[in-house]
Amino acid sequence: DAKTTQPPSMDCAEGRAANLPCNHSTISGNEYVYWYRQIHSQGPQYIIHGLKNNETNEMASLIITEDRKSSTLILPHATLRDTAVYYCIVRVVETSGSRLTFGEGTQLTVNP
Amino acid sequence: EAGVTQSPTHLIKTRGQQATLRCSPISGHTSVYWYQQALGLGLQFLLWYDEGEERNRGNFPPRFSGRQFPNYSSELNVNALELEDSALYLCASRRRGTGGNEQYFGPGTRLTVT
Repeated sequence: DAKTTQPPSMDCAEGRAANLPCNHSTISGNEYVYWYRQIHSQGPQYIIHGLKNNETNEMASLIITEDRKSSTLILPHATLRDTAVYYCIVRVVETSGSRLTFGEGTQLTVNP
Repeated sequence: EAGVTQSPTHLIKTRGQQATLRCSPISGHTSVYWYQQALGLGLQFLLWYDEGEERNRGNFPPRFSGRQFPNYSSELNVNALELEDSALYLCASRRRGTGGNEQYFGPGTRLTVT
């Protein structure tokens, strides 16, 4: 799996957009970018994933650069409940599926 | 749709004892994954079961074992407990036939070894 680099922590004001960056300069052509988050003492929650096109769902948007070496997860209107550790994971999509390798992630703190 | 459930929520054991943790996946999900999250450490992959068979295991000693039942629920057993086994144990499931890596996690079992 390609290695990812994320800032250890970020702050965001409630109601503003939270932009979480992730570098994955060694990503391969068949690797997807996945985002999960873990609210304190809970199980991780799948957020979104993408290959090369920008993706949007009810939780967030994922912007992947044209060279695919980095991406940004955007929470358009952050709330206090979005305070969590956010993990960027790069994985090959396999028909069988396998383990997820979680790095250190980014601790996002949304402030009132 | 009910999510992944795990039991018990909390478990307290003494060193040397055995612990059994249980997981029920989302209906229709056939793969079950177990992860360990020790205090201050990241999530570490433990075991992966699919269709009743162990498909892969992480870098953990053999005293960590498990199984998956015909109804796709799973059990994680930890023998000869050590203090370092104190952690949050998370179970995740994945839908049958999907090639993606969307895993849905349960709330975890907090194991404390004294």
